Amino acid sequence: GAVVSQHPSRVICKSGTSVKIECRSLDFQATTMFWYRQFPKQSLMLMATSNEGSKATYEQGVEKDKFLINHASLTLSTLTVTSAHPEDSSFYICSAFQPSNFGSNQPQHFGDGTRLSIL
Amino acid sequence: DQQVKQNSPSLSVQEGRISILNCDYTNSMFDYFLWYKKYPAEGPTFLISISSIKDKNEDGRFTVFLNKSAKHLSLHIVPSQPGDSAVYFCAASYSTDSWGKLQFGAGTQVVVTP
Repeated sequence: GAVVSQHPSRVICKSGTSVKIECRSLDFQATTMFWYRQFPKQSLMLMATSNEGSKATYEQGVEKDKFLINHASLTLSTLTVTSAHPEDSSFYICSAFQPSNFGSNQPQHFGDGTRLSIL
Repeated sequence: DQQVKQNSPSLSVQEGRISILNCDYTNSMFDYFLWYKKYPAEGPTFLISISSIKDKNEDGRFTVFLNKSAKHLSLHIVPSQPGDSAVYFCAASYSTDSWGKLQFGAGTQVVVTP
């Protein structure tokens, strides 16, 4: 089945540091990738939709200058948390949308997530 | 505004018995629904889905029921196994949204006891 790799799985860094998280679709081309954030015991909240070759679309309330998204190729999207602060500590998950799968039973394939801890 | 709701944060069930997880939605435009299973520090794993043209879909131990008039769906797991202990998320999308954006519920923590 389709595989999405997310890296790193865990990051611990100091306040003020910028952190980059990578999301790769390993065996298919993903024109669209999604970035989610999950707080403890809460739902996955969609942050933004990343489209290959164009600007990301951010959900209401998500700071685009804080969470920079780049989707430079059909297999890679990156999320950079700029000048991270303790309140940015969370679990970030990406997913990749494979167009040929739309209408099949699973529109998105998820990575394993990144645990970000800002000290 | 939470459009997909899972009102039971947790469920404890004995091994071998049936687990029933519930999900309600408010947006009548949703026409595709999915259930995901998630372990801590991992991404969600797809379990089963259902289109709004159906009212039931079955895959092995997992069955999803959809009641469109009530805007309600449920996931039945029979028989429950210890490995089923995880958080289960209900998700919904529009078929007209070619990007496949998903709206998730808050999740239900299932614990299967021996």
